[in-house]
Amino acid sequence: GNSVTQMEGPVTLSEEAFLTINCTYTATGYPSLFWYVQYPGEGLQLLLKATKADDKGSNKGFEATYRKETTSFHLEKGSVQVSDSAVYFCALKYLTRDDKIIFGKGTRLHILP
Amino acid sequence: DTEVTQTPKHLVMGMTNKKSLKCEQHMGHRAMYWYKQKAKKPPELMFVYSYEKLSINESVPSRFSPECPNSSLLNLHLHALQPEDSALYLCASSQYSGRAFEQFFGPGTRLTVL
Repeated sequence: GNSVTQMEGPVTLSEEAFLTINCTYTATGYPSLFWYVQYPGEGLQLLLKATKADDKGSNKGFEATYRKETTSFHLEKGSVQVSDSAVYFCALKYLTRDDKIIFGKGTRLHILP
Repeated sequence: DTEVTQTPKHLVMGMTNKKSLKCEQHMGHRAMYWYKQKAKKPPELMFVYSYEKLSINESVPSRFSPECPNSSLLNLHLHALQPEDSALYLCASSQYSGRAFEQFFGPGTRLTVL
């Protein structure tokens, strides 16, 4: 079936470090891929998306490239800030009648000053 | 206006109470969603409305009753809940249902059932 696997957390980094959160997916057809972020006590915010192979989504210094050959959508940021501390969810959505988002389990990120 | 609003922010209720959660968007979106999120877990889809009609019910117990009075408003009526229903309830909307349309989430209502 369709699924999303992302690296287990928590991930702890120092401020200005390079961030990678791995995400791989299993899906039939051509899903759209998303990264959502959830700050403490808040709802989910769409961070970035890509709708076809080789698309790169970017926002707030974060980037992710839709790699169909490796079925991956890894999230990267060159220099993290304390304010990036949050839970990050990788997700996919595909065109079916049921309009579901398949979420990964989430990766908690802690950035130390 | 590019946001989804939810009220109340917090709700505490007893198992015999009846309460409602409210969600509103003014982005002209025609699909709206209810999710339930337990601590340290991803959101789980409960209901989908498309053009004000219920299109998906993910086998949710009848003690949860959704309602979509118009294209901007989505309610979730709660009755005879159990303590295990305590969670963050998230509303979302998208322009239309379908693969290319991302969902915009509200801040959620944190529900505690005593």
